[in-house]
Amino acid sequence: EAQVTQNPRYLITVTGKKLTVTCSQNMNHEYMSWYRQDPGLGLRQIYYSMNVEVTDKGDVPEGYKVSRKEKRNFPLILESPSPNQTSLYFCASSSSSGNTIYFGEGSWLTVV
Amino acid sequence: DQQVKQNSPSLSVQEGRISILNCDYTNSMFDYFLWYKKYPAEGPTFLISISSIKDKNEDGRFTVFLNKSAKHLSLHIVPSQPGDSAVYFCAASYNFNKFYFGSGTKLNVKP
Repeated sequence: EAQVTQNPRYLITVTGKKLTVTCSQNMNHEYMSWYRQDPGLGLRQIYYSMNVEVTDKGDVPEGYKVSRKEKRNFPLILESPSPNQTSLYFCASSSSSGNTIYFGEGSWLTVV
Repeated sequence: DQQVKQNSPSLSVQEGRISILNCDYTNSMFDYFLWYKKYPAEGPTFLISISSIKDKNEDGRFTVFLNKSAKHLSLHIVPSQPGDSAVYFCAASYNFNKFYFGSGTKLNVKP
């Protein structure tokens, strides 16, 4: 089954404690990205990657890092989380010739 | 500045009637548009798309209309069903490099 898997699904953490949200896709897609969803703001792109070792900033990259060492994985790293990073995060993937994006189920992150 | 806007945060429709969800965009370079549906506690799922070379695309109860001159697209659901109650996001891209999403419209279909 084609899917995008992200973990953890739910996490409560404290300010400043580094965390990583993993993302994996099994569709051999070149393109992967991270979004955050906030009330009234919809889905905003954090970072995206066109292929292995190629990453670029989206609309709201501050406070986040990513890496793309393998095609299937695209982890999102919060080096020093702050309360304004409390949000619902989605990982997504698509093929370079594809016409749709596949989303993971989301990761609820609360920073206290 | 948001390049894709959904100005109605919510919409309530009676079962069996038509639901019309609207979306406006500002970038004339966009050449591909999509609609996604999102239930609570789930990721968005693809619903329907349209290329800028078309002005209409239909899939069952769902039809998307594109008006390039007005930079406006709409999603029509006919007939609406209670199971259609969800948040709907429109998205736009050029060359599939990056996708821009609207803020979403919450549709409530009343039985």
